[in-house]
Amino acid sequence: ILNVEQSPQSLHVQEGDSTNFTCSFPSSNFYALHWYRWETAKSPEALFVMTLNGDEKKKGRISATLNTKEGYSYLYIKGSQPEDSATYLCASSGGYQKVTFGTGTKLQVIP
Amino acid sequence: DGGITQSPKYLFRKEGQNVTLSCEQNLNHDAMYWYRQDPGQGLRLIYYSQIVNDFQKGDIAEGYSVSREKKESFPLTVTSAQKNPTAFYLCASSLTGTGGSEQYFGPGTRLTVT
Repeated sequence: ILNVEQSPQSLHVQEGDSTNFTCSFPSSNFYALHWYRWETAKSPEALFVMTLNGDEKKKGRISATLNTKEGYSYLYIKGSQPEDSATYLCASSGGYQKVTFGTGTKLQVIP
Repeated sequence: DGGITQSPKYLFRKEGQNVTLSCEQNLNHDAMYWYRQDPGQGLRLIYYSQIVNDFQKGDIAEGYSVSREKKESFPLTVTSAQKNPTAFYLCASSLTGTGGSEQYFGPGTRLTVT
């Protein structure tokens, strides 16, 4: 079983602040890294799927980077807004194999 | 509208009874998944199916059973052998069964067994 770890477990930021969180995963037999956003009372939604070392993806104010050699990914949110409040999940997989999820980082943006 | 539906949203059962959770998708996805979430834990994989008429055990398959007779449907049965069945259950699908295919999630079913 791949062990995916996320930090911090939770954090509070002021509206307008930028923030980032970390996902670490075993670098051996790596195939893809997923980021999902899970808002309260909704279903998780995919943000990014990354496969290549050094990959960077961006969607609006949210971006992510990937380092497959050392086994970590960062998710950045620029100028946090209250609607960014959610739990952010990362997940890693090794090819035609199941995806293993971390426990998530719960973000609360204070207006 | 394309998507994944799960029913019911809340389900209550007595201990010792089997219960089946429904999951349907109209996205024409090959792969489907069942996860369980408990407080303070991440999503844990119960079963997954990469193609119709085939499925594999996930990390916590004991006490659960599934079938995949149709591409659109992947029902999960929680049997009386599952020792701690009370949890939130999420169904998901992806276009293919590769680890690089993003997953689309249903709204979930909260099961309470007393």
